[in-house]
Amino acid sequence: QVQLVQSGAEVKKPGASVKVSCKASGYTFTIYAMQWVRQAPGQRLEWMGWINAGNGNTKYSQNFQGRVTITRDTSATTAYMELSSLRSEDTAVYYCARGRQGDVWGQGTTVTVSS
Amino acid sequence: EIVLTQSPATLSLSPGERATLSCGASQSVSSSYLAWYQQKPGLAPRLLIYDASSRATGIPDRFSGSGSGTDFTLTISRLEPEDFAVYYCQQYGSSPITFGQGTRLEIK
Repeated sequence: QVQLVQSGAEVKKPGASVKVSCKASGYTFTIYAMQWVRQAPGQRLEWMGWINAGNGNTKYSQNFQGRVTITRDTSATTAYMELSSLRSEDTAVYYCARGRQGDVWGQGTTVTVSS
Repeated sequence: EIVLTQSPATLSLSPGERATLSCGASQSVSSSYLAWYQQKPGLAPRLLIYDASSRATGIPDRFSGSGSGTDFTLTISRLEPEDFAVYYCQQYGSSPITFGQGTRLEIK
């Protein structure tokens, strides 16, 4: 069946970077985009960006001011989201989701930023 | 960016009743590229409706979406106990993709 499995929880210090992976299975990886969305505690969903898994083209939200990088490894059918210069406000659950409509979601990865 | 405003913030209803959730956009949503998601505590969002009115795979027909332009509606015809959750709308027609702030559907 189609599923997205994300890497485990992370605890990081302010100023560090975090890289979250999203392993896709059950479908042809390269024909769907992959988007990344985060949700801070008690907050709404926030779109971070997406990648065309076929050609690697990316689009990012300006809200992250160049701190986010989304990549993919087609041989591993895995997408990655790296967020740099972490601050406490980046504490959130990070999700990957398939396609523009987000028809399949990963289970989420909790990233905690604390000194 | 397109700002989505959902109303009401909280909706208190009983099982068997009809629920109507609204999503208003600050600008017209391109090609009705609007989706609705359901989210339960501790879980990822679940796609219910895409392209404003198309039900996602496996979604019961008591869920329906309508609207175009700047006004969209999610209707749940007869509430089941498992429908009590938070609902988000999302537009994916313009970059950046944006979400509404959510409507909490609670048991009365």
